Amino acid sequence: GQGVEQPAKLMSVEGTFARVNCTYSTSGFNGLSWYQQREGQAPVFLSYVVLDGLKDSGHFSTFLSRSNGYSYLLLTELQIKDSASYLCAVRTSSGQKLVFGQGTILKVYL
Amino acid sequence: DPKIIQKPKYLVAVTGSEKILICEQYLGHNAMYWYRQSAKKPLEFMFSYSYQKLMDNQTASSRFQPQSSKKNHLDLQITALKPDDSATYFCASSQEWDINQAPLFGEGTRLSVL
Repeated sequence: GQGVEQPAKLMSVEGTFARVNCTYSTSGFNGLSWYQQREGQAPVFLSYVVLDGLKDSGHFSTFLSRSNGYSYLLLTELQIKDSASYLCAVRTSSGQKLVFGQGTILKVYL
Repeated sequence: DPKIIQKPKYLVAVTGSEKILICEQYLGHNAMYWYRQSAKKPLEFMFSYSYQKLMDNQTASSRFQPQSSKKNHLDLQITALKPDDSATYFCASSQEWDINQAPLFGEGTRLSVL
């Protein structure tokens, strides 16, 4: 079967960092996306990776290891407004059918 | 201004009725999609369209029928509504169906079936 797994919750202190993990087991792999979703709002695209390694996008960085079926989203210099749900999604085949994880609720506190 | 417009934002329906969820995008994209997000469940892919043609259908029930009257429109008709259909339905789009590009999502229509 196909699955994308994420921890349900994560808490971090303002000004520090948070790493949101994602593991996947899918029948194919054509890239992995990260989205931010606030309560009652649309998922907002953050990052897309298809090659192994770290992709630095400033406040957000993304790591991918295809051989391990693993990715993480790293948020640095956390602010309270970074509190949201972070969704990992794997594109398994051609087209834009994404298999989403449950999402990780990140809470940033003082 | 939102570039992917979904209407209505909230919708309450009676079991057994029929509703149409509207989606139009002003991004010039050629591919459009529907996803569903139920309480406590991950976002779930439903349909993908490219140049108004159905490309992928992951919805088992024929009660869900996408309708594309224009290239930038992809509505979702749901018939014989059930309480289990209660969810937020998200429309999304991308430039093309088969390139490496993550889709962008609309604000969603929150459907409650009583």
